[in-house]
Amino acid sequence: DAKTTQPNSMESNEEEPVHLPCNHSTISGTDYIHWYRQLPSQGPEYVIHGLTSNVNNRMASLAIAEDRKSSTLILHRATLRDAAVYYCILIGIQGAQKLVFGQGTRLTINP
Amino acid sequence: SAVISQKPSRDICQRGTSLTIQCQVDSQVTMMFWYRQQPGQSLTLIATANQGSEATYESGFVIDKFPISRPNLTFSTLTVSNMSPEDSSIYLCSGSLNYEQYFGPGTRLTVT
Repeated sequence: DAKTTQPNSMESNEEEPVHLPCNHSTISGTDYIHWYRQLPSQGPEYVIHGLTSNVNNRMASLAIAEDRKSSTLILHRATLRDAAVYYCILIGIQGAQKLVFGQGTRLTINP
Repeated sequence: SAVISQKPSRDICQRGTSLTIQCQVDSQVTMMFWYRQQPGQSLTLIATANQGSEATYESGFVIDKFPISRPNLTFSTLTVSNMSPEDSSIYLCSGSLNYEQYFGPGTRLTVT
């Protein structure tokens, strides 16, 4: 599985946008970029995923670089409930959907 | 979507004993997985639970230590055998449906 690199931690203020970066320079052409997050004392939950084009859903937006070697998860207006560990994970099209978790980015939201 | 429940939610066990964790999904998921999350760490995949056949284990995990069953599409069990304090972790099961993976709340295991 291709490796991803994320900052260990980030901090932001409530009601401000948050941009969480992820580097995946060894991504293959068929790897999908998935984001999950783990709220305190809970199991991870799916956030968003994409292949080449930018994606939006009710939780977040995913901006994918043109060369696909990096991506950014965007929380448009962070709330205290968004404080979590965010994981960027690559899943191949032939993959068994098993998730290989890195260390993720611990996001702290200040009130 | 899928909702996943686990039993027990937590347990304290003595070394040398075994604990079986149950995972129930409210819909028929394609695949089921078991993960371990040690204190302050990320999740590590233990194995893929295959319906009606032996689980597929990741490097570092063996069937004798972590036997897994999946008798149908909505239920799986993980047994932690001959436990030692190093097995103290949170154990999570998950199920995949379409492109999403859904996780249970985890079972917090403490081995004394």
